[in-house]
Amino acid sequence: DGGITQSPKYLFRKEGQNVTLSCEQNLNHDAMYWYRQDPGQGLRLIYYSQIVNDFQKGDIAEGYSVSREKKESFPLTVTSAQKNPTAFYLCATSGVWGGRGNQPQHFGDGTRLSIL
Amino acid sequence: KNEVEQSPQNLTAQEGEFITINCSYSVGISALHWLQQHPGGGIVSLFMLSSGKKKHGRLIATINIQEKHSSLHITASHPRDSAVYICAVPSNTGNQFYFGTGTSLTVIP
Repeated sequence: DGGITQSPKYLFRKEGQNVTLSCEQNLNHDAMYWYRQDPGQGLRLIYYSQIVNDFQKGDIAEGYSVSREKKESFPLTVTSAQKNPTAFYLCATSGVWGGRGNQPQHFGDGTRLSIL
Repeated sequence: KNEVEQSPQNLTAQEGEFITINCSYSVGISALHWLQQHPGGGIVSLFMLSSGKKKHGRLIATINIQEKHSSLHITASHPRDSAVYICAVPSNTGNQFYFGTGTSLTVIP
């Protein structure tokens, strides 16, 4: 069954701690994205990757880091430098990079991160 | 500056009502996307359209490129349609999307 798997569903972070959110896909998509969703705001792009071993900062990359060592995986680390990490995090993929937005994005079910 | 504006923010309807959600955007686009976010948070893509109208079951999406406006209609609404509906457009480079803040729809039996 093709899709995107995000884990964990819920995550709690202590002060000064780094946490990593997992995103795995079996859609064979090249492009992967991480978004943050806050109440009353639209999805905001944190990082994106168009190909293995390459990734670019989005609009709100500060305090976050990513890696893309495999096509299937795009983990997001929320570092202690991110002072307001409480949010809903969504991973997405699309089949064609830079296709002028003519490809639909597929989303995971999200990870809800909270501060202890 | 918001590249995508949606209205209304919240909408409550009786079962069976015809529903319209509006989306206006400011960037030139190749395609506009309508998404549905369920209460649990997962998002599914409903429509991708670049002109005219598309229909899927009770859902209809229209777009007017000249006026930079799109609408999502739900006919004979049902409580299972309760969700947040999000409009999204690609950036000029196509490497990211701009998202509206969403319209939260509640359909009451």
